[in-house]
Amino acid sequence: NAGVTQTPKFQVLKTGQSMTLQCAQDMNHNSMYWYRQDPGMGLRLIYYSASEGTTDKGEVPNGYNVSRLNKREFSLRLESAAPSQTSVYFCASRGGYTGVQRAFFGQGTRLTVV
Amino acid sequence: GQQVMQIPQYQHVQEGEDFTTYCNSSTTLSNIQWYKQRPGGHPVFLIQLVKSGEVKKQKRLTFQFGEAKKNSSLHITATQTTDVGTYFCAGPNAGNMLTFGGGTRLMVKP
Repeated sequence: NAGVTQTPKFQVLKTGQSMTLQCAQDMNHNSMYWYRQDPGMGLRLIYYSASEGTTDKGEVPNGYNVSRLNKREFSLRLESAAPSQTSVYFCASRGGYTGVQRAFFGQGTRLTVV
Repeated sequence: GQQVMQIPQYQHVQEGEDFTTYCNSSTTLSNIQWYKQRPGGHPVFLIQLVKSGEVKKQKRLTFQFGEAKKNSSLHITATQTTDVGTYFCAGPNAGNMLTFGGGTRLMVKP
């Protein structure tokens, strides 16, 4: 099993450009998340999807949009990138056996906006 | 909304010393999870605690869940350089959304 796969791993954007971060999981989990992590900081939730067809805003949703395309895929879009969006982005899915709903993270996307 | 706080934010220890990080939630938690993130890596699940007062051990790591289910701690005995990383606690909010604490970054001097 690949677990959670994120693409791309690295990206440099110019201010105002747009891009979509892709995330796919092969564990048949219902819940998927997008977090951002700034240097030396914790994980801040951008958006959350409890199941296919539903999405909810997290702590820092401004400047982002998401799509839960199907149960496997949850993409994050930056419509007009800003330097403040320079960060490491992690996608995660959550599930497991009854009672332990652990989160599985992708390898991260290191995004720099210049 | 629910807030999960961790202290300290950073901790430098000499190899062989003990280390403890504390996690506090603004609301009662149904369970609490702990994750470790190595430098340059992604968070990896360590353990979940569910019961009030629960204590679990993984080799040199001891995890506790408070009686009121609002706080938790992770204690590492005799740290090693392989323990370096950031330790996060996380708890589900009322909507079952996982909320992470700010993390404690552990640095170990050999």
